Amino acid sequence: GAVVSQHPSRVICKSGTSVKIECRSLDFQATTMFWYRQFPKQSLMLMATSNEGSKATYEQGVEKDKFLINHASLTLSTLTVTSAHPEDSSFYICSAQTLAGAPYEQYFGPGTRLTVT
Amino acid sequence: DQQVKQNSPSLSVQEGRISILNCDYTNSMFDYFLWYKKYPAEGPTFLISISSIKDKNEDGRFTVFLNKSAKHLSLHIVPSQPGDSAVYFCAASPYNFNKFYFGSGTKLNVKP
Repeated sequence: GAVVSQHPSRVICKSGTSVKIECRSLDFQATTMFWYRQFPKQSLMLMATSNEGSKATYEQGVEKDKFLINHASLTLSTLTVTSAHPEDSSFYICSAQTLAGAPYEQYFGPGTRLTVT
Repeated sequence: DQQVKQNSPSLSVQEGRISILNCDYTNSMFDYFLWYKKYPAEGPTFLISISSIKDKNEDGRFTVFLNKSAKHLSLHIVPSQPGDSAVYFCAASPYNFNKFYFGSGTKLNVKP
């Protein structure tokens, strides 16, 4: 089956620093990647949608200058949390869609736990 | 404003019995509904889906029911097995699948 990896799985950083999270589709080309954020006991909240080679589309309320998304290739998307603050601590998870699969299918990475101290 | 809601954070069922997980939504424009299963330390995996033009979809032990008038869907697992123990997320999407809205999940525990 389609595999999506995320790196790192856990990261602890100091307030004010930036953190980059990578999302890779390992065995397929991802035309679209989604970035979600999940707070404890809450739903996966869509942050942004990115298509390879174009700018990401951010959901309302998500600061695009704070959460930089780059989808440079069909197998890699990155989320950079800039000038991180403790309130950015959360679980970040990506997913990928492929034109080869059913349009409703998305394949999720295992997620990244970000803790900002 | 949460458009997809799962009001039961947890459910415990005896092995062999039926598990029923519920989901409600508010947006009548949703065209497709999906259930995902998530084990600890893994990403959610697709389980079963249903189009808004149907009211039932069955796949082995899993059946999803959709009640459009009530804006409600449910996932039935029968018979439940201990390996079904996981967090189940309900999700909804418009017709073009460019966004997915998720519920908060229900943690299912199937007791041997």
